[in-house]
Amino acid sequence: ETGVTQSPTHLIKTRGQQVTLRCSSQSGHNTVSWYQQALGQGPQFIFQYYREEENGRGNFPPRFSGLQFPNYSSELNVNALELDDSALYLCASSSGLAVYNEQFFGPGTRLTVL
Amino acid sequence: LAKTTQPISMDSYEGQEVNITCSHNNIATNDYITWYQQFPSQGPRFIIQGYKTKVTNEVASLFIPADRKSSTLSLPRVSLSDTAVYYCLVGLVTGTASKLTFGTGTRLQVTL
Repeated sequence: ETGVTQSPTHLIKTRGQQVTLRCSSQSGHNTVSWYQQALGQGPQFIFQYYREEENGRGNFPPRFSGLQFPNYSSELNVNALELDDSALYLCASSSGLAVYNEQFFGPGTRLTVL
Repeated sequence: LAKTTQPISMDSYEGQEVNITCSHNNIATNDYITWYQQFPSQGPRFIIQGYKTKVTNEVASLFIPADRKSSTLSLPRVSLSDTAVYYCLVGLVTGTASKLTFGTGTRLQVTL
């Protein structure tokens, strides 16, 4: 059973550019959540996808968007990058059918915006 | 969502028991209490979850008093590898509604 994987590991972009981050969920999981973690802070919920549909969103602007594919992998897209978008972006998968489920996090993508 | 308060940092020596307390005064009836652990440059990892009284697994114990306004994560005989940030989360965790809300966590430093 493979765990949650994310790519790329690190990424450097300049202000105004667009970025796409990728996540492969753990086998058997149909729910993917994305989090942003600034340095020294706890992860902040961006949005969640369940069976290819967005299922809840945190306090992030529309330039943060996402997709979930039929194999339950997911993408996070950020347009018009700002300096404050520099952070560790974490993907977590879980089984949407489970009550009180546990989320399994990937290692994250470190995004630096210059 | 219930707000949580936990110490910013704690220090311990290897082999000691560590207790990290989290306050959540406005916990709702259906809320569960969940603890995650995060090592540097890694995603958080689920440790334990409970609703009331005591829960124990191979890693930790979670003590929840009757009023549920606080909880204590207990790590028995910590080792250097337990140095990490520990997050207390409170909220409704059901199926697809698992939107975890993390605070700033407690940074535990274990030394020899």
